[in-house]
Amino acid sequence: EDQVTQSPEALRLQEGESSSLNCSYTVSGLRGLFWYRQDPGKGPEFLFTLYSAGEEKEKERLKATLTKKESFLHITAPKPEDSATYLCAVRNTGNQFYFGTGTSLTVIP
Amino acid sequence: DSGVTQTPKHLITATGQRVTLRCSPRSGDLSVYWYQQSLDQGLQFLIQYYNGEERAKGNILERFSAQQFPDLHSELNLSSLELGDSALYFCASSVGTGLTGELFFGEGSRLTVL
Repeated sequence: EDQVTQSPEALRLQEGESSSLNCSYTVSGLRGLFWYRQDPGKGPEFLFTLYSAGEEKEKERLKATLTKKESFLHITAPKPEDSATYLCAVRNTGNQFYFGTGTSLTVIP
Repeated sequence: DSGVTQTPKHLITATGQRVTLRCSPRSGDLSVYWYQQSLDQGLQFLIQYYNGEERAKGNILERFSAQQFPDLHSELNLSSLELGDSALYFCASSVGTGLTGELFFGEGSRLTVL
């Protein structure tokens, strides 16, 4: 069964303290791995798409990387406004999207 | 604002009842997706429609059904409601069939079943 597992469940960082979030996946034919950000009471907001191992994408303080079995979301020098839940999702050959349960990030000023 | 509109925002009903959730996609988007988000299971993919046709199906219960109308809005019908159906239901839309993974989510409809 296709599955996405994210770790850690929660992460508290001091402002400026860089770290990484992990997304491990098993999928029947990966047709894309996606990162989203979700703020409380809001719908997820798209960040990145990665298609193949070795691919990297960057946006401001965020950088996403992909291997054959996992993806990392690196956060460099985070700010309090980066606090949110970060969701990872995969799309399989059946066009089904599977989301992980997310990592709740809190950045303390 | 993602441009995706969901109604109602909140809904409280009793077990055994039936409800309909409505979604208007972003202008120009042909795909609509429905997701269920509960505290313990995260976002669960229910179903996708593309230009009126069912495109992909996830773990949608038989008590649930959806459709996309010619004007591209979509409705999710939940019947014979159970306590466990209480959740946040999200609608999302995309321009095409979702190849890029760039889905635009609404703010959700929170369903409480008492």
